[in-house]
Amino acid sequence: DVKVTQSSRYLVKRTGEKVFLECVQDMDHENMFWYRQDPGLGLRLIYFSYDVKMKEKGDIPEGYSVSREKKERFSLILESASTNQTSMYLCASNLGLKETQYFGPGTRLLVL
Amino acid sequence: GQNIDQPTEMTATEGAIVQINCTYQTSGFNGLFWYQQHAGEAPTFLSYNVLDGLEEKGRFSSFLSRSKGYSYLLLKELQMKDSASYLCASRGGYQKVTFGIGTKLQVIP
Repeated sequence: DVKVTQSSRYLVKRTGEKVFLECVQDMDHENMFWYRQDPGLGLRLIYFSYDVKMKEKGDIPEGYSVSREKKERFSLILESASTNQTSMYLCASNLGLKETQYFGPGTRLLVL
Repeated sequence: GQNIDQPTEMTATEGAIVQINCTYQTSGFNGLFWYQQHAGEAPTFLSYNVLDGLEEKGRFSSFLSRSKGYSYLLLKELQMKDSASYLCASRGGYQKVTFGIGTKLQVIP
């Protein structure tokens, strides 16, 4: 079974803090993705990576950065958290871009 | 560009059949996914259609019409555990996947 794990299920941070969200997959997948999910807006792609040290902007990259130093790990970084970044963050991975994505359990982030 | 429309909410009765529709406008379309997402959990894969027609998988079936930009997910013999959100997602150019907002299905006794 594919397993995608995220470092935290729930996180509370203050405005201006630097926030790291970690995602690890154990199936040697090439591609990894970060989404945020908000009511009425659905899943929106923030960034994705198709190889180690490679990254591509998604639909809403502003205010975020990512890091992929190892194949199994993809980190999402909020350089200076803001209240409008309060959301559910979902990590996903797949073997090839034509394959289905496997999602992690999500991190619910609250920025105060 | 890519745009996906699906109903926000639906209610159906246990044991019945429900059809969840999805329309899309996707540049370079090359496939449509359906995912199920229970409240507070991650989406899980249900089906993938790339050719026109109906794909059946147990109680769940998915249909695609590329010429009409239309898909539906059919759930038969509804069970209470089928209460969840159902996400339609289309794959377009550069293999980019765009998700709809999801249809929240409530199954009632």
